[in-house]
Amino acid sequence: DAGVIQSPRHEVTEMGQEVTLRCKPISGHDYLFWYRQTMMRGLELLIYFNNNVPIDDSGMPEDRFSAKMPNASFSTLKIQPSEPRDSAVYFCASSFGGALNTQYFGPGTRLTVL
Amino acid sequence: EDQVTQSPEALRLQEGESSSLNCSYTVSGLRGLFWYRQDPGKGPEFLFTLYSAGEEKEKERLKATLTKKESFLHITAPKPEDSATYLCAVRGGGSEKLVFGKGTKLTVNP
Repeated sequence: DAGVIQSPRHEVTEMGQEVTLRCKPISGHDYLFWYRQTMMRGLELLIYFNNNVPIDDSGMPEDRFSAKMPNASFSTLKIQPSEPRDSAVYFCASSFGGALNTQYFGPGTRLTVL
Repeated sequence: EDQVTQSPEALRLQEGESSSLNCSYTVSGLRGLFWYRQDPGKGPEFLFTLYSAGEEKEKERLKATLTKKESFLHITAPKPEDSATYLCAVRGGGSEKLVFGKGTKLTVNP
């Protein structure tokens, strides 16, 4: 199994530009999670989906952030417009729901907004 | 609100020097406490899940234990390759979301 795949691995952009991060979950998993990791705040959940439907987006910082999951094998996290304070590592994770639900993480996208 | 506090923030050990990492938590209806390992530049890697007080799990030099208020990750005779940041997370009732602590950065010197 290839595991969770994220792209790009690194993104450098200028303030005000649109940024799109991509994630392919593990085949067969029905939950998908987007996290953001910073030194100050650690690993924080932004949003999660179940069967492609957003369930909890209470962690999305503001309207500049949006996430979609058009099908079971693809999700995007978009930031428009980007700001320097959005600089962080963004992780996607997936899991198969149930009592033994374990989240498996991708390698992350390191975003730098200048 | 669910909360997780990990201590110490950083720990330096000599190879073979056993120690423990602490994870204190407050959660409404614990449905799992998770330990992950994170290497620099990589995503968290799953280690253990504990579900109820008194439960223990082991993997090589690592053993995780759970009480009603905290979990410990015991590292026995560590090796330099055990150097990493260890993250603790909890899942509470009614949600699939994990709440993470800020981690303990472990360095094992040869």
